Amino acid sequence: DQQVKQNSPSLSVQEGRISILNCDYTNSMFDYFLWYKKYPAEGPTFLISISSIKDKNEDGRFTVFLNKSAKHLSLHIVPSQPGDSAVYFCAIQSGTYKYIFGTGTRLKVLA
Amino acid sequence: EPEVTQTPSHQVTQMGQEVILRCVPISNHLYFYWYRQILGQKVEFLVSFYNNEISEKSEIFDDQFSVERPDGSNFTLKIRSTKLEDSAMYFCASSEMTGEAFFGQGTRLTVV
Repeated sequence: DQQVKQNSPSLSVQEGRISILNCDYTNSMFDYFLWYKKYPAEGPTFLISISSIKDKNEDGRFTVFLNKSAKHLSLHIVPSQPGDSAVYFCAIQSGTYKYIFGTGTRLKVLA
Repeated sequence: EPEVTQTPSHQVTQMGQEVILRCVPISNHLYFYWYRQILGQKVEFLVSFYNNEISEKSEIFDDQFSVERPDGSNFTLKIRSTKLEDSAMYFCASSEMTGEAFFGQGTRLTVV
């Protein structure tokens, strides 16, 4: 089941710079997309979401972009901070009853 | 701020034993979920629950697994006869009709 893919398992970024995390999906019927942040031994924490009627949603330092024609989602974090170091999962709400998670990207923000 | 709570935080059990993982979802949420994450792997969907019945389940959620909402607040996942490969972090989540799901802190299940 590879409906949601995050092709970069890890990413290192200098503090203050932009972090860009990417996600690709296969099913053009998906219509609600989310990003979660996860620390070790904790549950995923919701960050930001976007519905398919938009192509951008911004919340503070976090912006999510949606390119429906490319079936591509990205999360921009600017400026990146050391506390942003975590694993980031994109997720897609499939129907009403399920969220499908990507494989995750481990972000390390270097001080 | 409302949150999803899970107990216990860590459970060690002998292979073949039954375990029950407990969750208290956010009170006004209608949809409930169980997910698991085997160490270093992706967060996998197990089951969703709405209106006192299973809405959807994955192929992982076989006859060894069951879910229940025994009262108005708790949501449980039972594994009848645990196997070594059931060792994982198990996450409960809840959501309103649309929008994001909120996750608990997880239960680490270790089967020995």
